[in-house]
Amino acid sequence: DIVLTQSPVTLSLSPGARATLYCKASRSVGTSLTWYQHKPGQSPRLLIYDSSTSVPGVPARFRGSGSGTDFTLTISGLDPEDFAVYYCRQRSVWPRTFGGGTKIEV
Amino acid sequence: EAQMIESGGGLVEPTGSLRLSCEVPGFTFSTSAMAWVRQAPGKGLEWIATIDGSATTTYYAESVEGRFSISKDNPRNVLYLFLRRLRADDTAIYFCARETARGLESWGLGIPVTVSS
Repeated sequence: DIVLTQSPVTLSLSPGARATLYCKASRSVGTSLTWYQHKPGQSPRLLIYDSSTSVPGVPARFRGSGSGTDFTLTISGLDPEDFAVYYCRQRSVWPRTFGGGTKIEV
Repeated sequence: EAQMIESGGGLVEPTGSLRLSCEVPGFTFSTSAMAWVRQAPGKGLEWIATIDGSATTTYYAESVEGRFSISKDNPRNVLYLFLRRLRADDTAIYFCARETARGLESWGLGIPVTVSS
């Protein structure tokens, strides 16, 4: 199975700051990497697919990049609504796997 | 897009069984791949199963293979997850989701399953 390792586990930032989240795959997933936002008590939300393509309606401050084994999600100028847990997930091979998540907190 | 709604969760004893349902209104269910994802208390998201649109091919996480089975009733627009030989570590919120070429694009609200004696 492909293991996705996210870092850091927790990111303590203030509104307006820049957040950089990392996702490292145990072997190449090409660009078949997605990012999700999950807030407590809500359903997860797909933000980015194919490593760097934003889902329509996702604010432009969310940017994904990377290929192979190393991926980054950057949030430029944190809005208060962005404080949540973010997960990467690979869609390259079965079984599909999620990373362990990065929590962005104040 | 209308909200997907899971049902069938609750409290079940270890080794017991349960069937989760997910009603899927609105989109072309018969051509949509569907998935189940769970989140155990204090843990992250875990993909557990996917079924293709025609319901002919299924995929499972190792943690549930042989115990859980995913199916879909295309005429009724309902996705199912049959949970068997349940263990305490199956305790989680279970989400259904629509898997498109982009990823898990639409999600249900989630339904809790608690395995305890």
